[in-house]
Amino acid sequence: SYVVTQPPSVSVAPGQTAFITCGGNNIGSKSVHWYQQKPGQAPVVVVSYNNDRPSGIPERFSGSNSGHTATLTISRVEAGDEADYYCQIWESSGDHVVFGGGTKVTVL
Amino acid sequence: QVQLQASGPGLLKPSETLSLTCTISGGSFDSGSYYWGWVRQPPGKGLDWVGLIRHSGYTSYNPSLKSRITISLDTSRKQMSLRVRSVTAADTAVYYCARHANPHGGFFLDVWGQGTTVTVSS
Repeated sequence: SYVVTQPPSVSVAPGQTAFITCGGNNIGSKSVHWYQQKPGQAPVVVVSYNNDRPSGIPERFSGSNSGHTATLTISRVEAGDEADYYCQIWESSGDHVVFGGGTKVTVL
Repeated sequence: QVQLQASGPGLLKPSETLSLTCTISGGSFDSGSYYWGWVRQPPGKGLDWVGLIRHSGYTSYNPSLKSRITISLDTSRKQMSLRVRSVTAADTAVYYCARHANPHGGFFLDVWGQGTTVTVSS
């Protein structure tokens, strides 16, 4: 089955930009969705279909997807962005949801 | 505004069967645009997709769990259920129910319940 790979952790200073990658074979041909999960809370979608932001999600969150890598970009990082972030694709061949392993974003 | 509420026993012994219920309120339960499903998260680990069901009864399961799980719908009660047979400590997790949406092709999980904690221990 399809495998998506994320770095375990990313550290970023406040006000800087965080890049969270999601790798997979020709992932650029798929739609990638991103979730933010804070401790003790359910995940919340922050970007869907590569670069769509649900209502209420700040413009600081954006996404891109090309080739073998999708990227979630968090601009002007704030302390409140510290969380785990997961990418997700839909594997249509088996009607399965596939999550990446998650990336812990630490705001220094 | 659709809301999902998961509930379950909390504590089970190894080899028992886990039964969880997700109650769906608000929104359109029987719309063909949505599937309903489960995701679990072991303590300190990442998200693990369990499976989904469509209003028609169509199901799809995580291949690693397929032999032990059943997802069903009670449309009259607007409830979704998950049964996991022969549980072990590896099934200890927070279990979330979530709506799967497909507005542009390919599903994502747009609404999540708050999660219910399940512990398997003798």
